[in-house]
This record gives sequence, C-alpha cells and structure tokens, in this order.
Amino acid sequence: DGGITQSPKYLFRKEGQNVTLSCEQNLNHDAMYWYRQDPGQGLRLIYYSQIVNDFQKGDIAEGYSVSREKKESFPLTVTSAQKNPTAFYLCASSIGGTSGNTIYFGEGSWLTVV
Amino acid sequence: GQSLEQPSEVTAVEGAIVQINCTYQTSGFYGLSWYQQHDGGAPTFLSYNALDGLEETGRFSSFLSRSDSYGYLLLQELQMKDSASYFCAVRGLGQGGKLIFGQGTELSVKP
Repeated sequence: DGGITQSPKYLFRKEGQNVTLSCEQNLNHDAMYWYRQDPGQGLRLIYYSQIVNDFQKGDIAEGYSVSREKKESFPLTVTSAQKNPTAFYLCASSIGGTSGNTIYFGEGSWLTVV
Repeated sequence: GQSLEQPSEVTAVEGAIVQINCTYQTSGFYGLSWYQQHDGGAPTFLSYNALDGLEETGRFSSFLSRSDSYGYLLLQELQMKDSASYFCAVRGLGQGGKLIFGQGTELSVKP
C-alpha cells in the first residue's frame, strides 16, 4: 500500500546528542515536509523540499537539518543546537507545485529529551 | 507573511451542527484546506476550497470567501467520533509550495 512511513515512533535523546528521524514515501510525490507539533498546539513548518537535492527552511528551522538525496526519502536531524526538541514530529508529502494542495502525513514520531 | 486564526475550542452535542471559523491574513493564496487530527494521530485531509463558495463532502462542508478573508468548516449530524482537532491551512502565492496551518480548533462532542 502507498503511504508515508516514519521511524522510530518513539525516540529518547540525551542532552547534547543529535538524532535523526526517518521519513520514507512510496507515493511518488515530489514535495516533502517536516512539521513540529507541541502538545495542544498547531503544526509549525521546519523544512520542506519541492524536488530532489533541494530544500528550504520553514518557520522554525534553527537547530534542525535535512537532506533530500532521493525522491522517496527526507530524513530530519535534530541537532544539539535545538534547545527544546521534545515534541511530536510529522513528515508529510504532496504531489508538489501549486496543484498539490492535499498533503499526506506519516504517523509521526515522538521525541523526548531525557 | 501569513497568519490564520481559529477558535481554540468548540463544544457541541451529538446530532448537532457546528461551524469552525478560520480567518486569515495573507497577500494571496491558492486555496484553503481543512484537516482533522485525532489525539496522538496524524492529520488527515478533509476538504479544499480553491474558489469562493461551498464545497460539500458528506456530513462535512467547507466555505471560502476571499473578499472577507474568511472560511469555515461545517460539520453536520455530529458523532462522538468527530471529537478531534481541526486545522485550516493555506498555500501562499510565491511561497514555493509552503503550506501553513492555523493553530487548530479542538472539537468536543458530548452525548
């Protein structure tokens, strides 16, 4: 079945560590996104990519990094520079361009700093 | 820049009709979308308005008025399973495909 797979579902990070969240899609979508959601809050855009080997910062990119070496993969690294990383992270994809107004989300990854 | 405003909470009873409003400030956008998110789950697409007017999909309808910078999601014949958070979202003109979400409205459906 087509969809977006995020892993791991739950992740614990120690202070000062970098961690990488995986996102894979088999929908053949050009565009991919990473959002952060804090409890009871909306979705804030971290990074997005419209095409392979290209990505742009969203509204809260500081302390995060991404890569887009393959169309189906868009991993997010939460670096030690992100001082408050505990949150729910959602990866999403869409057809791309201005016609891709429907985006499809993965099941999310919960990151907790211990 | 863009911003979208929604009420933070709405409560209604089973079988009722509820309207969730979304007002926005943006220099231009392609359309207004609505997403539903249950606790701990992923948001799922509900509806999209590219043009002014009403779009109906079963019990859910969505409305857009660009002249009023306003849209709403209408849920009819409410069911307990409709208890969730609802988000409006826009993709701005010249924004390179960036999709921006409102803060979300938590709907509680009571028996």
